[in-house]
Amino acid sequence: NAGVTQTPKFRVLKTGQSMTLLCAQDMNHEYMYWYRQDPGMGLRLIHYSVGEGTTAKGEVPDGYNVSRLKKQNFLLGLESAAPSQTSVYFCASSYSTGGANTEAFFGQGTRLTVV
Amino acid sequence: AQSVSQHNHHVILSEAASLELGCNYSYGGTVNLFWYVQYPGQHLQLLLKYFSGDPLVKGIKGFEAEFIKSKFSFNLRKPSVQWSDTAEYFCAVNGGYSSASKIIFGSGTRLSIRP
Repeated sequence: NAGVTQTPKFRVLKTGQSMTLLCAQDMNHEYMYWYRQDPGMGLRLIHYSVGEGTTAKGEVPDGYNVSRLKKQNFLLGLESAAPSQTSVYFCASSYSTGGANTEAFFGQGTRLTVV
Repeated sequence: AQSVSQHNHHVILSEAASLELGCNYSYGGTVNLFWYVQYPGQHLQLLLKYFSGDPLVKGIKGFEAEFIKSKFSFNLRKPSVQWSDTAEYFCAVNGGYSSASKIIFGSGTRLSIRP
């Protein structure tokens, strides 16, 4: 059982380049999230999805786009990378948002550097 | 809107000292509350969670947290810390049973344990 898998694990981009981060979960979770982690700022929610075909903006959505075409996958896109997007990106998924099974399970993270 | 405040940015303790990390949240309805731990270079792992019932929640590795609804608080405690507890700790909240709910994290508390 792999849980939540992120690819790639590391990436260096030049300013203006584009890329897509892939998140895959094999737990049949409805909810999926993309966070960025920066020193002293904790995890900030970029976008999230409450089910296949749906997406919603989080706290810091600007400069990012997402898609959830399949229930198990949640893609995060950077159309034109900027140095301010240098960060560690974490994907997470959860079964629900109410009741006992609400906790998020995290991937290993993607360290992105934009030069 | 949901928000989470963690009062301590960096806590330094000696082994065997007692620990209490503060967490306050802002949300008007039913909440689910979480504490996650991130060991150096790793992803976030769930320590404990509260969704209903007994407000004193016990988690892994001897940690516990108390939900005080009147104070909008969910403080993390451990009676006697070990060097291996050195990590960053994150409090998180989501508004339970809402289809638009999302998990929001605090800025984290870095815990350093002196051997």
